[in-house]
Amino acid sequence: EAGVVQSPRYKIIEKKQPVAFWCNPISGHNTLYWYRQNLGQGPELLIRYENEEAVDDSQLPKDRFSAERLKGVDSTLKIQPAELGDSAVYLCASSSSDWGHGYTFGSGTRLTVV
Amino acid sequence: GQNIDQPTEMTATEGAIVQINCTYQTSGFNGLFWYQQHAGEAPTFLSYNVLDGLEEKGRFSSFLSRSKGYSYLLLKELQMKDSASYLCAVRDGVGTDKLIFGTGTRLQVFP
Repeated sequence: EAGVVQSPRYKIIEKKQPVAFWCNPISGHNTLYWYRQNLGQGPELLIRYENEEAVDDSQLPKDRFSAERLKGVDSTLKIQPAELGDSAVYLCASSSSDWGHGYTFGSGTRLTVV
Repeated sequence: GQNIDQPTEMTATEGAIVQINCTYQTSGFNGLFWYQQHAGEAPTFLSYNVLDGLEEKGRFSSFLSRSKGYSYLLLKELQMKDSASYLCAVRDGVGTDKLIFGTGTRLQVFP
């Protein structure tokens, strides 16, 4: 079974430029999460989807961040325009209704804004 | 408020036993998870406790006391490959039912 797939793996952009990240969750996992992890910190939730519905986006900086999950499968997270402080690892995770195994995380996208 | 505390760094010797503690104060509680994260990699699931007591899984065990808001991860027969960050996360079970992560404990295992 394929895990959670994210791309790109690394991204370097100049500030004020747009950037997008893509995530393909585990097949059958209805819940999808985007987390941001700063260096030396734990992941922080940005947005959570149940199927195609965003059920928690309270920590998503909506002035510059947007996300979508069309058809309840793949998801994209976009930043426009990027700021220096957005440099972090962006992790996508998915889960089923069985919480006994927690989330499965993708490898993440390491974003560097210069 | 939501608060999850764990030590920032720990060191141990190959073959030894190490205990990583985690205390939490969250608005709700519906389970506690431990994840392992090697540098530059994604977190991987280690254990899940929802009831009080000890869960053992090979060299790793996790303990939970809900009344004390306390958990620990016990690693036995340490190996060099156990050098990683260990993340404690609480499923808050309230509202949007998400995982709230601590900052992680960076463990270094020396020969």
